[in-house]
Amino acid sequence: AQKITQTQPGMFVQEKEAVTLDCTYDTSDQSYGLFWYKQPSSGEMIFLIYQGSYDEQNATEGRYSLNFQKARKSANLVISASQLGDSAMYFCAMKVADSWGKFQFGAGTQVVVTP
Amino acid sequence: DAGITQSPRHKVTETGTPVTLRCHQTENHRYMYWYRQDPGHGLRLIHYSYGVKDTDKGEVSDGYSVSRSKTEDFLLTLESATSSQTSVYFCAIAGGLNTEAFFGQGTRLTVV
Repeated sequence: AQKITQTQPGMFVQEKEAVTLDCTYDTSDQSYGLFWYKQPSSGEMIFLIYQGSYDEQNATEGRYSLNFQKARKSANLVISASQLGDSAMYFCAMKVADSWGKFQFGAGTQVVVTP
Repeated sequence: DAGITQSPRHKVTETGTPVTLRCHQTENHRYMYWYRQDPGHGLRLIHYSYGVKDTDKGEVSDGYSVSRSKTEDFLLTLESATSSQTSVYFCAIAGGLNTEAFFGQGTRLTVV
């Protein structure tokens, strides 16, 4: 069975600082994908970044980067130069190739960016 | 924006009544998902589909059933609504195993 764990329920970060959101996962499969989503207070789900299990380089998308440590089964999201608009709930998710597309999420981390 | 629509967007229903939520997509994506979102629990997978008539259970499937008779529609039915099913329900679609999922706007369901 696959599982996603986000251990930080909430955190505060100052504007312009970097923040790291933790995500660990558990799967016995070799082929899987890891995703991060942002959910602002308006409620929509916004895709941020993707990392495949066979990707050798860490994924980056603008101010977002994914620190992928396969042996430790962690996929932490790094947001550089935080902005007030980054205040939101952030979810880590995983899709396993052998599970017919099953797509599961962690419990989320609430980020509040302060001036 | 991905073409995905949930209906209704809001619903209040009484305990014990059946309720059906609809997810409609215009992207011809293979995978479709139903989640519920409750404070402190994130998004929990209810059911998902990997093709027409191909569905499977997620982690919180008790009390829910689904059907997918055509590619574009994925229906979630609460057979006999209970107050514990008061939640925000999200539908999502994905084209492949290594592609992101796109989400609908959510349905706020209240069972009284």
